[in-house]
Amino acid sequence: SQQGEEDPQALSIQEGENATMNCSYKTSINNLQWYRQNSGRGLVHLILIRSNEREKHSGRLRVTLDTSKKSSSLLITASRAADTASYFCATEISYSGAGSYQLTFGKGTKLSVIP
Amino acid sequence: DTGVSQDPRHKITKRGQNVTFRCDPISEHNRLYWYRQTLGQGPEFLTYFQNEAQLEKSRLLSDRFSAERPKGSFSTLEIQRTEQGDSAMYLCASSSSPLNTGELFFGEGSRLTVL
Repeated sequence: SQQGEEDPQALSIQEGENATMNCSYKTSINNLQWYRQNSGRGLVHLILIRSNEREKHSGRLRVTLDTSKKSSSLLITASRAADTASYFCATEISYSGAGSYQLTFGKGTKLSVIP
Repeated sequence: DTGVSQDPRHKITKRGQNVTFRCDPISEHNRLYWYRQTLGQGPEFLTYFQNEAQLEKSRLLSDRFSAERPKGSFSTLEIQRTEQGDSAMYLCASSSSPLNTGELFFGEGSRLTVL
């Protein structure tokens, strides 16, 4: 089952605009990660934010985490055509006792950046 | 630099045949994961190894699926008596995190088509 759910499912913007994607989840998490996937390729890790962090930056990426609302957002500033891809949030949860963790992915947001 | 490599990249088979996928993780990564991804969905967890021990298996992994990591290095995922519903991208990922999942490094995937 998928714990995270991204919104919107698809997003189309002009090059240079900012893109914001949201992720909501259901249970308490250890951390939340964002991945990118180009069509037909593997996933690439973008950023990890721990449950005790509220905001994190990496280059043109900004991720926020609100554990009270069980939600996260990924902001890509000054988008480029090369940012066209699917973006997935993944939540790490602990289960089956200490030391067992699982990373569960959402269905993704398909971002199209028009040159 | 050797990232995670998967072989074959594409496999077309007839229903009822057996298929085997191989994954070579990043050297010295002790954790290895298998995920399955169908069109328009996020990756779904199948199983993971810590070194040579298979520590978790998803309920998605029916008796027809078996995974091994015999020497704690490469891993194989075998599907016996394939069904059309097995058509998907099979993704392998590895991690060096000592405690939890951490950042996953994905391969390019093995795409299976069952006719």
